[in-house]
Amino acid sequence: DSGVTQTPKHLITATGQRVTLRCSPRSGDLSVYWYQQSLDQGLQFLIQYYNGEERAKGNILERFSAQQFPDLHSELNLSSLELGDSALYFCASSVEGGGYEQYFGPGTRLTVT
Amino acid sequence: KNQVEQSPQSLIILEGKNCTLQCNYTVSPFSNLRWYKQDTGRGPVSLTIMTFSENTKSNGRYTATLDADTKQSSLHITASQLSDSASYICVVRRAAGNKLTFGGGTRVLVKP
Repeated sequence: DSGVTQTPKHLITATGQRVTLRCSPRSGDLSVYWYQQSLDQGLQFLIQYYNGEERAKGNILERFSAQQFPDLHSELNLSSLELGDSALYFCASSVEGGGYEQYFGPGTRLTVT
Repeated sequence: KNQVEQSPQSLIILEGKNCTLQCNYTVSPFSNLRWYKQDTGRGPVSLTIMTFSENTKSNGRYTATLDADTKQSSLHITASQLSDSASYICVVRRAAGNKLTFGGGTRVLVKP
């Protein structure tokens, strides 16, 4: 158990819909990262937040957005969902945004039908 | 372009045998390199982290090596067990901007 929690574990929704994925970092970690992993694909970095502020952006679509709240939990919002958005979405946290180890959550499996 | 390439893509080995996974990178300037193990459907778990000055680091039956001159790393699994069946991901951190670059992973299947 990494100490990072993600909800929900599974999510099934239809195309065109909007969903919100939630992540609670490890106690004391200020930085949160979001990743997408499609079937049999590598991890794709989406976005990073540090202490409430956006720190780095990866391959995140305009239909996707995220935020980190004052209590440091983070939410990833996915809108106008397409079949290709079906994937595992992982959240990771670290103490700071630099070279510190990232601890990954168990992931949320999103299925778009 | 900053890239991380892993080979082979997949590997089947018999229980008890050894294997070596490769990671070549072009990320520059280099900060550190990490190997993760990812069980199917679960989040990655860090195995080792290596900085520029480190050549070898072990974590139980996992031994990672780093040659910063040739920009190559390897992960050696000794006396494989069925529980070693997983994807192994090489991740390189760039010193400028602290950006992470992920390799595509090597999928290892250990058969009895």
